[in-house]
Amino acid sequence: EAGVTQFPSHSVIEKGQTVTLRCDPISGHDNLYWYRRVMGKEIKFLLHFVKESKQDESGMPNNRFLAERTGGTYSTLKVQPAELEDSGVYFCASSQVRQVNTGELFFGEGSRLTVL
Amino acid sequence: KNEVEQSPQNLTAQEGEFITINCSYSVGISALHWLQQHPGGGIVSLFMLSSGKKKHGRLIATINIQEKHSSLHITASHPRDSAVYICAVNAGTDKLIFGTGTRLQVFP
Repeated sequence: EAGVTQFPSHSVIEKGQTVTLRCDPISGHDNLYWYRRVMGKEIKFLLHFVKESKQDESGMPNNRFLAERTGGTYSTLKVQPAELEDSGVYFCASSQVRQVNTGELFFGEGSRLTVL
Repeated sequence: KNEVEQSPQNLTAQEGEFITINCSYSVGISALHWLQQHPGGGIVSLFMLSSGKKKHGRLIATINIQEKHSSLHITASHPRDSAVYICAVNAGTDKLIFGTGTRLQVFP
């Protein structure tokens, strides 16, 4: 069975450009999470989908970030326009059971974003 | 101050040594996760625990809910154990709160 897959693995863009990151969760996992690690800091929560609905987007830094999960399958995270401080590694994770109910969590390999 | 603190931040060991990584947290939790990330790799879940102790191969994770503390032990360490080990907690919500990680290098 395929794990959580993320694309691209690395993206280098210039400040002001747009980038879209994609996450394909494990099939059948209703819960999809986006996390981010910026250089030297701990990983931080961005948002949580249950199927196609945003359950919690309290970690989204600002309105330059837009996450979607149309149809409740894969998710995209768009950054527009990108700023230097958006550089980091964006992790996607999925679970069958919600984390509040302590479900096992499966992570992707991350998408590294470098904004120049 | 982070809600989840790990120590040490960096750790070097000789192959075969017994290793302990510590995690302290300041919030009430429903579960604690130990995660592993190899250089350039994704994050792998090692343990999820809410009480007591769990063992998987050479890895042992313990948690003391009263003291808000968890430890990850590696017995008979091996160079392939070199990775970043991350502690994260569920504080009763869907979000995980992460520590900054412990970078472990095991030399042959």
